[in-house]
Amino acid sequence: DAKTTQPPSMDCAEGRAANLPCNHSTISGNEYVYWYRQIHSQGPQYIIHGLKNNETNEMASLIITEDRKSSTLILPHATLRDTAVYYCIVRDSGSARQLTFGSGTQLTVLP
Amino acid sequence: DAGVIQSPRHEVTEMGQEVTLRCKPISGHNSLFWYRQTMMRGLELLIYFNNNVPIDDSGMPEDRFSAKMPNASFSTLKIQPSEPRDSAVYFCASSIRWGGANGELFFGEGSRLTVL
Repeated sequence: DAKTTQPPSMDCAEGRAANLPCNHSTISGNEYVYWYRQIHSQGPQYIIHGLKNNETNEMASLIITEDRKSSTLILPHATLRDTAVYYCIVRDSGSARQLTFGSGTQLTVLP
Repeated sequence: DAGVIQSPRHEVTEMGQEVTLRCKPISGHNSLFWYRQTMMRGLELLIYFNNNVPIDDSGMPEDRFSAKMPNASFSTLKIQPSEPRDSAVYFCASSIRWGGANGELFFGEGSRLTVL
């Protein structure tokens, strides 16, 4: 699976959009981009995933660049409860391999 | 649904003792995963099961660790004998149909193990 690179930490003001970048320059055609988050002392939580097209659900939007070498997770109106570590993961859809979590981005939403 | 249920939530034991962690996956999910999380190594996959059969146990640290899934609604992770370096949060996760485009895992709240 392709390796991802994320900034170790980011801050965001409450009520503003949080834009979390992820670089996956070695991604291959069969690999999906997944985002999970982990709030302190809880298990990781699935947020969203995508292959080529932008995706949106009730939690967030995922913007994938046309060359698929990077993506951005957008939390449109961040709240204090969105403070968490956010993990960007790429995974080959053609295999049953597990998700490999990196070190992620610690997002802190400030009041 | 109650989600993935793990027990105990906290366990403190002494070196050399046997530890058993338990997991009940979400009903209807056919894949189950055990992860371990430490500050130094982050989240690591230990083993995963598909339809109660172990598929990949390459992450199990050593022979002191063993995992079973006797049926679709129950799994255990056992450490015998335990050592201080086993101190970590152990997470269980399940998935309705692992593989292909489905990469959604549902995690439990974790079991925090401290070995003195």
